[in-house]
Amino acid sequence: GQQLNQSPQSMFIQEGEDVSMNCTSSSIFNTWLWYKQEPGEGPVLLIALYKAGELTSNGRLTAQFGITRKDSFLNISASIPSDVGIYFCAGDQGAQKLVFGQGTRLTINP
Amino acid sequence: ETGVTQTPRHLVMGMTNKKSLKCEQHLGHNAMYWYKQSAKKPLELMFVYNFKEQTENNSVPSRFSPECPNSSHLFLHLHTLQPEDSALYLCASSQVRTNEKLFFGSGTQLSVL
Repeated sequence: GQQLNQSPQSMFIQEGEDVSMNCTSSSIFNTWLWYKQEPGEGPVLLIALYKAGELTSNGRLTAQFGITRKDSFLNISASIPSDVGIYFCAGDQGAQKLVFGQGTRLTINP
Repeated sequence: ETGVTQTPRHLVMGMTNKKSLKCEQHLGHNAMYWYKQSAKKPLELMFVYNFKEQTENNSVPSRFSPECPNSSHLFLHLHTLQPEDSALYLCASSQVRTNEKLFFGSGTQLSVL
């Protein structure tokens, strides 16, 4: 089946730093999504991208749908302690099937 | 509060036990899903229900038996599980027409001994 390669697998940063993570695929997706999962909770949708080249922001988060439709990135600016968690990219291959990346675990040192 | 409630939050069971996981959504959605989340692996889709009819079974072993009595409730019945079935089981819901926007519950952390 389709797979998403998400990197990095983990990040250790200082509070206030910017964060960048990305997802790549060998297949084309029509929709890219970014989710965040905090300990003991299910993933929560952060941003949904529907068009190639689309750049969308949600507060300090910015995500882009790659022109080739095979990749997406997520940036977090000026990180704060509550940004800690696991960030997942997901590609929508239709028929209600989302393909998820393995996640990027973000740790922030105060 | 995400609008999707799962019980129990934690479950420990032996391989010969029978248990059920419950999910209820309060969002007025018409599609419900079961996902499995194992350590260091991507989320795996297990089942999809649209308007309480099963539309997807992602080659899930028969020891997992889903039930969807209505659009708001979803169950996962467990029987003779294996230790490798230990994982976080997540329920999600969505509107069928915007099915990429999944709303997840907090999950049931299952340990099979």
